[in-house]
Amino acid sequence: AQSVTQLDSHVSVSEGTPVLLRCNYSSSYSPSLFWYVQHPNKGLQLLLKYTSAATLVKGINGFEAEFKKSETSFHLTKPSAHMSDAAEYFCVVTPTDSWGKFQFGAGTQVVVTP
Amino acid sequence: EAGVAQSPRYKIIEKRQSVAFWCNPISGHATLYWYQQILGQGPKLLIQFQNNGVVDDSQLPKDRFSAERLKGVDSTLKIQPAKLEDSAVYLCASSLVEGLAEQYFGPGTRLTVT
Repeated sequence: AQSVTQLDSHVSVSEGTPVLLRCNYSSSYSPSLFWYVQHPNKGLQLLLKYTSAATLVKGINGFEAEFKKSETSFHLTKPSAHMSDAAEYFCVVTPTDSWGKFQFGAGTQVVVTP
Repeated sequence: EAGVAQSPRYKIIEKRQSVAFWCNPISGHATLYWYQQILGQGPKLLIQFQNNGVVDDSQLPKDRFSAERLKGVDSTLKIQPAKLEDSAVYLCASSLVEGLAEQYFGPGTRLTVT
């Protein structure tokens, strides 16, 4: 069985300050992990993915995430938030032996203040 | 490259009525997914197609929901009869291959059942 927990439902940051979105997972098999972003009235967009290569993964728009097997975590970070980062972020887990069965977290809503 | 297309974007119906959603995946993508996203939650997989065959429909409420993917390209998702709890955004996604490949999402159809 697999599951994913996003530890914060809402995160508020000031523009120019770091962003940290926390994600913990459980999986019976070695997982693949993804972060997606959803802007209002837009489709989900892939930010980055981990598929058992380098544990530090760089994505689009300055985001990166680190896979920590010992902590079963895949936290998303960005050094400096921009107003355009305001959106909902989803952590996704899928075991590598599955047929692409994505398990989504509940999401973290990010608010960026000037 | 054109993205995943969905229509309609919005639909309002009364309970016990029927409704259908349409999805056109990215050209050449063999795998197609339908998700249900209830407000405040992450998307939940309803059904997965590989070409025109069903891979997983274990979470599809088959007494009222049906889906098909004729000719392995476009897909339709139908609800008949609709219930109030079906109010959600219905997302279509596609991937080039099954398994680890990232999924590309359409903008979704927002369904309101009154």
